[in-house]
Amino acid sequence: DAGVIQSPRHEVTEMGQEVTLRCKPISGHDYLFWYRQTMMRGLELLIYFNNNVPIDDSGMPEDRFSAKMPNASFSTLKIQPSEPRDSAVYFCASSLSGGHSYEQYFGPGTRLTVT
Amino acid sequence: GDSVTQMEGPVTLSEEAFLTINCTYTATGYPSLFWYVQYPGEGLQLLLKATKADDKGSNKGFEATYRKETTSFHLEKGSVQVSDSAVYFCALSRNFGNEKLTFGTGTRLTIIP
Repeated sequence: DAGVIQSPRHEVTEMGQEVTLRCKPISGHDYLFWYRQTMMRGLELLIYFNNNVPIDDSGMPEDRFSAKMPNASFSTLKIQPSEPRDSAVYFCASSLSGGHSYEQYFGPGTRLTVT
Repeated sequence: GDSVTQMEGPVTLSEEAFLTINCTYTATGYPSLFWYVQYPGEGLQLLLKATKADDKGSNKGFEATYRKETTSFHLEKGSVQVSDSAVYFCALSRNFGNEKLTFGTGTRLTIIP
């Protein structure tokens, strides 16, 4: 299996621009999670989906952030407009309910720099 | 709410030293507990887990025991290697890891030859 795929791996943009991060979960997984990692705040859960439906978006910092999951194999996290404080590594993870492993599989992350 | 408190880093050890990274948690009920590891430039990957009191998770020479009486899940390894250099995260989940994980702040471990 290819694992969780994220794109782009690196993104540099100017303040005020729209940024779209993409994630392809492991095939067959029914949960998808978006995290943000910074030195100051550590690892934060932003939002997660079950069967393409958002379950908890309480971690989304503000209205500038939005996430969608139009189908089981694709999700996006959009920031509009971007700000320097959004600079971070964004991870996508997926998991499968009902099994015994209870494991979330993380993608390699997208490093976002907003100048 | 749920929380995880980890030993502050960074931690630097010599190769073959004994490792302990402390982790305590606050949660109602009976959470599942996890250790994740993040190697440089990569995402997190599950190192080991325990789903009920007194369970011991183990993998790659690492061990951690779920201690409900002390609400702890300390990570140990008897003899560390340079390749163990990474950031280690303790985490808990209410529902066997399929719903959201609450992470500790992470502990950066560096092993010197």
